[in-house]
Amino acid sequence: GAGVSQSPSNKVTEKGKDVELRCDPISGHTALYWYRQRLGQGLEFLIYFQGNSAPDKSGLPSDRFSAERTGESVSTLTIQRTQQEDSAVYLCASSLNGDTQYFGPGTRLTVL
Amino acid sequence: SQQGEEDPQALSIQEGENATMNCSYKTSINNLQWYRQNSGRGLVHLILIRSNEREKHSGRLRVTLDTSKKSSSLLITASRAADTASYFCATAAPGGNNRLAFGKGNQVVVIP
Repeated sequence: GAGVSQSPSNKVTEKGKDVELRCDPISGHTALYWYRQRLGQGLEFLIYFQGNSAPDKSGLPSDRFSAERTGESVSTLTIQRTQQEDSAVYLCASSLNGDTQYFGPGTRLTVL
Repeated sequence: SQQGEEDPQALSIQEGENATMNCSYKTSINNLQWYRQNSGRGLVHLILIRSNEREKHSGRLRVTLDTSKKSSSLLITASRAADTASYFCATAAPGGNNRLAFGKGNQVVVIP
């Protein structure tokens, strides 16, 4: 079946602009994660959604970052007033059983 | 917080040779996972080993886990040029939401 998809694949924006990144998880996966990967680094956890439970936002680096998820489907990650340090690849993953996470191809964000 | 950390070395090996990577972590884990990443984009799940397991095999991959030393190793046997990638270990804490803590990755280059 279809894997996790993300859009856009690349986004170039100017400092101070807002951006929205989208994630479509694998159908039926109740858990959805957002991670950020800076150049040459490992992934940093940002936020976690599980069904209708309150999301775990403990990894969001500032209040400029927010995310929503509609039921058990699409999620959007919004970054307001982007800064150059927000430049990174943003990866989304979904999971059925809470163990193996299946990752999307990521969105490469460049803030000029 | 716990964190998987690979030996930060880049491996360059000849096709057919074996490649070994190590990972250490700091606190208790529920499981440890290895992922492969090509060209800095989506991650591919390779293998998951639970805290009560010591060794696991999947095709040409062999993973060991030593919880007393808080370390894991990934062995790729009979390497191929297609194995050229970055390899990350990631740990999931007991309970909680299975958010993964990633190391910085280990670059492997397999020379044909």
